[in-house]
Amino acid sequence: QKEVEQNSGPLSVPEGAIASLNCTYSDRVSQSFFWYRQYSGKSPELIMSIYSNGDKEDGRFTAQLNKASQYVSLLIRDSQPSDSATYLCAGWAGSYQLTFGKGTKLSVIP
Amino acid sequence: ETGVTQSPTHLIKTRGQQVTLRCSSQSGHNTVSWYQQALGQGPQFIFQYYREEENGRGNFPPRFSGLQFPNYSSELNVNALELDDSALYLCASRPGMDNSPLHFGNGTRLTVT
Repeated sequence: QKEVEQNSGPLSVPEGAIASLNCTYSDRVSQSFFWYRQYSGKSPELIMSIYSNGDKEDGRFTAQLNKASQYVSLLIRDSQPSDSATYLCAGWAGSYQLTFGKGTKLSVIP
Repeated sequence: ETGVTQSPTHLIKTRGQQVTLRCSSQSGHNTVSWYQQALGQGPQFIFQYYREEENGRGNFPPRFSGLQFPNYSSELNVNALELDDSALYLCASRPGMDNSPLHFGNGTRLTVT
């Protein structure tokens, strides 16, 4: 099993819908997880951090962490065309290596 | 507060050449790490520097080397460039070695021909 796995997509949702992005992780990855958004040709931008089991909400974004299932998700409510980007899930593997999934490409259709 | 800055933005090199990429860390951040992101992939960890010492390294050959200076800025050097080294190179800094997230600079796009 890869340390952090994501469905590469592409995931297409209509404008105004909820986009659901998922990520699983192996035992090598710690309990601190992050979601980054990356527009084409740009560097990754941190949008959510989650450290404990449960949900964390920030505006239209909700991150969910389920330690028992080793599963992290990101929900984007009221999706906008400007949300179209690649979303990267990442977690710490040790104290120096942030391990990333390959990313899920999201397209929000107007 | 100034964030992480990288230079140059874009670079084109020929196979076999050497390249140096530069990174200025965010104020107060003494840990700098470098990542390589190939097209369609997630960023891959190259190495990390903490207080001027390399204290972590990913699965990259020795021709990838680095430095961290007393002001915590950093360089990534790649010798004997190969076509597969074409990628976006990302630098990130953080204050110490805790579990806080990384904040990346704008990256350097390296193209090897």
